[in-house]
Amino acid sequence: AQSVTQLGSHVSVSEGALVLLRCNYSSSVPPYLFWYVQYPNQGLQLLLKYTSAATLVKGINGFEAEFKKSETSFHLTKPSAHMSDAAEYFCAVTAGNFNKFYFGSGTKLNVKP
Amino acid sequence: GAGVSQSPRYKVAKRGQDVALRCDPISGHVSLFWYQQALGQGPEFLTYFQNEAQLDKSGLPSDRFFAERPEGSVSTLKIQRTQQEDSAVYLCASSRRTSGSPDTQYFGPGTRLTVL
Repeated sequence: AQSVTQLGSHVSVSEGALVLLRCNYSSSVPPYLFWYVQYPNQGLQLLLKYTSAATLVKGINGFEAEFKKSETSFHLTKPSAHMSDAAEYFCAVTAGNFNKFYFGSGTKLNVKP
Repeated sequence: GAGVSQSPRYKVAKRGQDVALRCDPISGHVSLFWYQQALGQGPEFLTYFQNEAQLDKSGLPSDRFFAERPEGSVSTLKIQRTQQEDSAVYLCASSRRTSGSPDTQYFGPGTRLTVL
């Protein structure tokens, strides 16, 4: 089975500062990893995904994530936070038959002016 | 094009009532998923359809939960004799492919169910 742990349920950064949201996964087979963003009262929107190609993955809105097998991590970063980045972010893993996505509990990002 | 739509967006039910939640996936998407998202938590898998076939229902919490997709398009999640612990947001997602590398799941806005 697979699982995801997101460290930090709330992260607060200043506008223009680095964003770092942490995700560690557990999987007995090679995983595929995703980051989704959820704005209030909306569904989840895909930011980026790792599917065993390049380990550094670039996504929308300036976000990127690096797959590190040795650390079982897939942390999400953005060099400079914008007010519009304030939302909840979910890391997800799937493997095997890919029919199930396992989500972390989410990290709420607050961006201060 | 149109995304995944869900109705109703909000549903309030009295304990013991039956409810039905509808999902319209993106046209042509073969796979359809239902998730339950409790307050302050990430989505949890409920069930998965490939066309009209329900291939995995291991996440359904009890036999009060039932899902169907009779024509391989629209899906309905039914909850019988609702309980307060059923209060959550129910998310539907669809994806294009059936196998191979995992395809992106596209999510609807969800139905927020409140059981009083």
